[in-house]
Amino acid sequence: DTGVSQDPRHKITKRGQNVTFRCDPISEHNRLYWYRQTLGQGPEFLTYFQNEAQLEKSRLLSDRFSAERPKGSFSTLEIQRTEQGDSAMYLCASSSIRDRGRQETQYFGPGTRLLVL
Amino acid sequence: RKEVEQDPGPFNVPEGATVAFNCTYSNSASQSFFWYRQDCRKEPKLLMSVYSSGNEDGRFTAQLNRASQYISLLIRDSKLSDSATYLCVVNGGSARQLTFGSGTQLTVLP
Repeated sequence: DTGVSQDPRHKITKRGQNVTFRCDPISEHNRLYWYRQTLGQGPEFLTYFQNEAQLEKSRLLSDRFSAERPKGSFSTLEIQRTEQGDSAMYLCASSSIRDRGRQETQYFGPGTRLLVL
Repeated sequence: RKEVEQDPGPFNVPEGATVAFNCTYSNSASQSFFWYRQDCRKEPKLLMSVYSSGNEDGRFTAQLNRASQYISLLIRDSKLSDSATYLCVVNGGSARQLTFGSGTQLTVLP
């Protein structure tokens, strides 16, 4: 399977614990995005990387959230001191800017569903 | 006001019906437009890009009106397998991220 993969697929944690999610983008995609989706809403942008550089962060990304993409391949999203409001699906997407002349298309992974008790 | 607004539905239609979804966006600098489909508890998947001239892919037709900042999706001859949430998506201005509407839920009934 050469699509975007995410791990774990589900995570249940207690309030105050730290959690870390991993995303493996489509091979050679140089852009990687994190989104969060809550029930009944569309995904909301959190942050994005071009190669290893984090180029943009949403104001939704509080200081408890940190994302890395150290080698420009996989990425991790860490949430420290989780709160019940962090319960959501965390989606990763990747894209390539190499398809010049075409609209950049983002391909999504299956998501990590987080439940904070 | 949300950046991308959609009628949440739900739309319940019989098999074979034609159904249309509408969407408006607020950022006039938006440059790219898409419809994504999301099945229950799954990730969004690209259904089709939307171009200024309008475009068609089988039973699906998308239209864009930049002056009115309005996007539409028409599904003809609905199938049971079309049941899903349809997300209107915009990528605009200097931002690379996608901005999603809340989605329109479609159920096609036998």
